[in-house]
Amino acid sequence: QKEVEQNSGPLSVPEGAIASLNCTYSDRGSQSFFWYRQYSGKSPELIMFIYSNGDKEDGRFTAQLNKASQYVSLLIRDSQPSDSATYLCAAASGGSYIPTFGRGTSLIVHP
Amino acid sequence: DADVTQTPRNRITKTGKRIMLECSQTKGHDRMYWYRQDPGLGLQLIYYSFDVKDINKGEISDGYSVSRQAQAKFSLSLESAIPNQTALYFCATSEGETDTQYFGPGTRLTVL
Repeated sequence: QKEVEQNSGPLSVPEGAIASLNCTYSDRGSQSFFWYRQYSGKSPELIMFIYSNGDKEDGRFTAQLNKASQYVSLLIRDSQPSDSATYLCAAASGGSYIPTFGRGTSLIVHP
Repeated sequence: DADVTQTPRNRITKTGKRIMLECSQTKGHDRMYWYRQDPGLGLQLIYYSFDVKDINKGEISDGYSVSRQAQAKFSLSLESAIPNQTALYFCATSEGETDTQYFGPGTRLTVL
């Protein structure tokens, strides 16, 4: 059974701080990793995709992947109240086309 | 215009009724998916289709059926709705090797 684990939160950070969201996965065959942001009642939207060990940066977002530890993280720098949402982590094995989603971590950024 | 659309956006129905949720996409993707989301449970895969002639059950297919009418259209049916099928339903598409999912806006279904 492929699993992706996330702390449900909520994770509460002050505006301007760094928010750190974490995710572990069970399938060592996973090759692609995703972070989706989901506002309440809305659909998930992709914010980061990573497949190589190390860091990938896009604006205020940095995804970190450590395949040896089966660990993926998302850092949000200079957090804003508009970043308040649920963040879904997902992992996919190469060629399966069926990602496994975590249950999501709720992030609250307070002014 | 949105690339992935779902109709209806909201639906209230009664136990035992048959209902259909529709999904259309203009992204030209071959792969399409139906998920349901319940509070605190994340996304659960109901059915998926990799092309018009390929339909596969997901982890929670009981009580649901699908139809892939064309590359761009993928419908989900609840044959006899029950209250525990009350949830938010998402259609998604993907392509290529990255497995990135592109989601529709969702349908909020309430079964009384």
